[in-house]
Amino acid sequence: NAGVTQTPKFRILKIGQSMTLQCTQDMNHNYMYWYRQDPGMGLKLIYYSVGAGITDKGEVPNGYNVSRSTTEDFPLRLELAAPSQTSVYFCASSYSGQASNQPQHFGDGTRLSIL
Amino acid sequence: AQSVTQPDIHITVSEGASLELRCNYSYGATPYLFWYVQSPGQGLQLLLKYFSGDTLVQGIKGFEAEFKRSQSSFNLRKPSVHWSDAAEYFCAVGAHYGGATNKLIFGTGTLLAVQP
Repeated sequence: NAGVTQTPKFRILKIGQSMTLQCTQDMNHNYMYWYRQDPGMGLKLIYYSVGAGITDKGEVPNGYNVSRSTTEDFPLRLELAAPSQTSVYFCASSYSGQASNQPQHFGDGTRLSIL
Repeated sequence: AQSVTQPDIHITVSEGASLELRCNYSYGATPYLFWYVQSPGQGLQLLLKYFSGDTLVQGIKGFEAEFKRSQSSFNLRKPSVHWSDAAEYFCAVGAHYGGATNKLIFGTGTLLAVQP
């Protein structure tokens, strides 16, 4: 069972560069999420999507963009990388059942350093 | 505002000892509560969840948690810790966000170390 797959696992970027973090899920989940995890801060929601073609901002969206052209894929784009975006990024998905009671399934994360 | 507090940043227990990790939440309605575990270099894995009904819920790997509405708590317990339980543990509450979307609000985590 693949579940939620994130690529790449590690990446080092220079300030001002751009990149796309890939996320794909094979569980036919409509809901997908991007989080960032910083030491001692828990996970913060960046963007989420409730289905193909529908995305919205989370708690910390500045500096990021997303798209959702298919149910399976939910890429996260960094346009102008900044040191403050050094973090571990997690993609997650969940079934679109009753709101709030569905567990989220997480990928293994992308560890990103901006130098 | 909805929030989750894990008061213990770091806990060390001996292998075979019992474990309790604390979690307190703030939420206006009946909460949906989760415990996740994160092993080094891995994503988060769901340990257990509470939606309604029996306030003592059983999860994977021998973990259980008890929902106490009067104390706004959802503490995680295990009677006998194994060395493989060393990981970071996150408590989370599911909340409405932007309409009918579910959103997880996470605590800051408790890092568990297990001594031989």
